[in-house]
Amino acid sequence: GDSVTQMEGPVTLSEEAFLTINCTYTATGYPSLFWYVQYPGEGLQLLLKATKADDKGSNKGFEATYRKETTSFHLEKGSVQVSDSAVYFCALSPPGGSEKLVFGKGTKLTVNP
Amino acid sequence: DARVTQTPRHKVTEMGQEVTMRCQPILGHNTVFWYRQTMMQGLELLAYFRNRAPLDDSGMPKDRFSAEMPDATLATLKIQPSEPRDSAVYFCASGSGLSSYNEQFFGPGTRLTVL
Repeated sequence: GDSVTQMEGPVTLSEEAFLTINCTYTATGYPSLFWYVQYPGEGLQLLLKATKADDKGSNKGFEATYRKETTSFHLEKGSVQVSDSAVYFCALSPPGGSEKLVFGKGTKLTVNP
Repeated sequence: DARVTQTPRHKVTEMGQEVTMRCQPILGHNTVFWYRQTMMQGLELLAYFRNRAPLDDSGMPKDRFSAEMPDATLATLKIQPSEPRDSAVYFCASGSGLSSYNEQFFGPGTRLTVL
């Protein structure tokens, strides 16, 4: 079945460091791909998305590129801030009109000043 | 600012008691999802509805959990009887079903502790 694998955390960085969180997926066909972010004590919220191969999703300085050849959707940010401390979830929506999302297990990021 | 609301935000109860969690999806959204989040299992889909009809509840323990949508503005998740292993954060999410990529909007969650 469809699945998402993301790097295990926790990840601890200093402010202004470069961030990469790896995400790979297994799916039949071409799913839509997402990164969701969960700040402490809150629900998940959509960070960025890509719906087809080679699309780049971007938001708040974060970027991820849909790579079908490597079935990956790695999250990157050039310079993290303390306010980026959160749990990040990679997810896919299977092709064919399914409304369900398949989530990875989440990666906790802590950014220290 | 349209948001998914959930009540209660926190619930502490004793084993064997009934627990009811409520969710108000964003007005106009026609899909509703219930998730459970724990440290060990991560985020698990329990059930989801489209136009108030249950489409998939395969992730839900059938003997003690039940999910319903009495109307388009209210979704409920009930646990009876509750057990300590049900302690988790329960999220409700809704979607419009209109976009091609099916974005889901999450509520703030209900943190359940069963003693």
